Amino acid sequence: KQEVTQIPAALSVPEGENLVLNCSFTDSAIYNLQWFRQDPGKGLTSLLLIQSSQREQTSGRLNASLDKSSGRSTLYIAASQPGDSATYLCAANTGFQKLVFGTGTRLLVSP
Amino acid sequence: SAVISQKPSRDICQRGTSLTIQCQVDSQVTMMFWYRQQPGQSLTLIATANQGSEATYESGFVIDKFPISRPNLTFSTLTVSNMSPEDSSIYLCSVEKGAWSNEQFFGPGTRLTVL
Repeated sequence: KQEVTQIPAALSVPEGENLVLNCSFTDSAIYNLQWFRQDPGKGLTSLLLIQSSQREQTSGRLNASLDKSSGRSTLYIAASQPGDSATYLCAANTGFQKLVFGTGTRLLVSP
Repeated sequence: SAVISQKPSRDICQRGTSLTIQCQVDSQVTMMFWYRQQPGQSLTLIATANQGSEATYESGFVIDKFPISRPNLTFSTLTVSNMSPEDSSIYLCSVEKGAWSNEQFFGPGTRLTVL
């Protein structure tokens, strides 16, 4: 059974810092891995999707990497801003589009 | 991408009653998914709904408790039946888009409180 863990559970940084969020999964047989952000009381916004054959994806200040052999993905946020404050979730696609979600990292960026 | 709407956005219900949540997508999709997010928890898949067939439920979820309809390629409903306070959660629908990417997009969620 696939299990997904995210570290740290919470992170507080001053504006402008570069930061890394970590996601670990137990079964390397994934089809892809997707990163989302969730604002309080809201739905999920898709940030990046990495196919199993890819090593990384970039969108603006966000860069996500994937290492299937070690069961890890990282989300790198450059030059963080207060608007980046949210909960970040990673999800592993285990097949038939079934997503197994991580526990989330709650990010707070202070002005 | 996909634009997904859900109704209601939130509701407060009494124990023992049922609530039907609607999910509407702006384009035709083959697969729709229903997730539950309990307070302080991450998301858990309830079931997968394909148009024209019975929904497929994940372990721990049963049709009598969470009946699902999928009458066409842009719409689905999830009913939470005989509710108890333990059913208080955010319920989200999602769709898979992209012929190659299999990227999933989520609706805004329905926040349910059961008293």
